[in-house]
Amino acid sequence: AQKVTQAQTEISVVEKEDVTLDCVYETRDTTYYLFWYKQPPSGELVFLIRRNSFDEQNEISGRYSWNFQKSTSSFNFTITASQVVDSAVYFCALSEAKGNEKLTFGTGTRLTIIP
Amino acid sequence: ETGVTQTPRHLVMGMTNKKSLKCEQHLGHNAMYWYKQSAKKPLELMFVYSLEERVENNSVPSRFSPECPNSSHLFLHLHTLQPEDSALYLCASSQSGTGGYNEQFFGPGTRLTVL
Repeated sequence: AQKVTQAQTEISVVEKEDVTLDCVYETRDTTYYLFWYKQPPSGELVFLIRRNSFDEQNEISGRYSWNFQKSTSSFNFTITASQVVDSAVYFCALSEAKGNEKLTFGTGTRLTIIP
Repeated sequence: ETGVTQTPRHLVMGMTNKKSLKCEQHLGHNAMYWYKQSAKKPLELMFVYSLEERVENNSVPSRFSPECPNSSHLFLHLHTLQPEDSALYLCASSQSGTGGYNEQFFGPGTRLTVL
């Protein structure tokens, strides 16, 4: 069965610092997809990124970057020059190609950016 | 209206009440989901509907009864709930049939309190 672990429950950093959120996953499938979602205080989860299991290229989008490493089953998320608006709970999730549209989520990391 | 909407946003009910949560998606998707989010627990998938058929029921107690009358609407009927059912209930939608590729779009959730 698939599993996603986000070992960091809560992180606080001062504004403009860089911060990395860790995500480790387990799956027996060879084809799978990894996601990051952001949950601001308003409640709805907002999709940030998807990577498929065959694409290990790192991705950068503005201040956000993602490091996917199959060798360590990790999909880490880095925010550069953090801002107060980045304060939220961040979830890593996994879906398997054979998984009947199921997303398995980690427990989330609550990120607080201190002004 | 755009995206995924949920009503009501907050609900307080007694253990003997019957109430319903409503979700509506305006994205033309063909799959809809109910999740339960409790404090310090991973997001728990409750039900998945794909093409208006229930394809997943994750051992959810019968006091939760889902209904999907069409691809745009999803209901969660509640009766004789327990205090431990207090949580944020999130609805999501996606385009299914892509082997887990497509991201899910979430509503803002209904904060349920059972007294």
